[in-house]
Amino acid sequence: DAKTTQPTSMDCAEGRAANLPCNHSTISGNEYVYWYRQIHSQGPQYIIHGLKNNETNEMASLIITEDRKSSTLILPHATLRDTAVYYCIVRVGGSARQLTFGSGTQLTVLP
Amino acid sequence: GAVVSQHPSWVICKSGTSVKIECRSLDFQATTMFWYRQFPKQSLMLMATSNEGSKATYEQGVEKDKFLINHASLTLSTLTVTSAHPEDSSFYICSANTGGTFEQYFGPGTRLTVT
Repeated sequence: DAKTTQPTSMDCAEGRAANLPCNHSTISGNEYVYWYRQIHSQGPQYIIHGLKNNETNEMASLIITEDRKSSTLILPHATLRDTAVYYCIVRVGGSARQLTFGSGTQLTVLP
Repeated sequence: GAVVSQHPSWVICKSGTSVKIECRSLDFQATTMFWYRQFPKQSLMLMATSNEGSKATYEQGVEKDKFLINHASLTLSTLTVTSAHPEDSSFYICSANTGGTFEQYFGPGTRLTVT
């Protein structure tokens, strides 16, 4: 699985968009970008994944650069309940393999 | 979405005793389940991969005789911490996949405290 680099922490004002970056310069052609988040003392929650096209669902948008070496997770209107550690994970697609969690980004949404 | 439950949500036990943690997929069949451990202020670390009807595959450094995993059905996997010690105190989390999908679904976790 390709290595990812994320900022340790970020703050965002409530109601504003939260943009969480992730660098994955060694990503391979068949590796997907996944985002999960973990609210304190809970299990991780799947957010979104993508291969090369931008993706959007009810939770977030995922923007992947054309060279696929970096991506950005966008929470369009952050709320206090979005305060969590966000993990960017790169690996071959399919769910029957384990996820390797890095240190993630602690996002704090401020009132 | 698919739901995974864990029981108990927290447990306190004395050193030397064994503790069993259950992980259930409530509305889907899970061919593969994963067990992770998370120490305070650290990230999740994979302990083992559990496939229904076969022996679990343990990560390097995880003692298979200490952390017994049983995946007897497509909806239930159990982790038994045998002869628990204070250093086993941690947050144990399971996840399951539905097969053929990209996302894994995580349980809410079990907080184990060994005194």
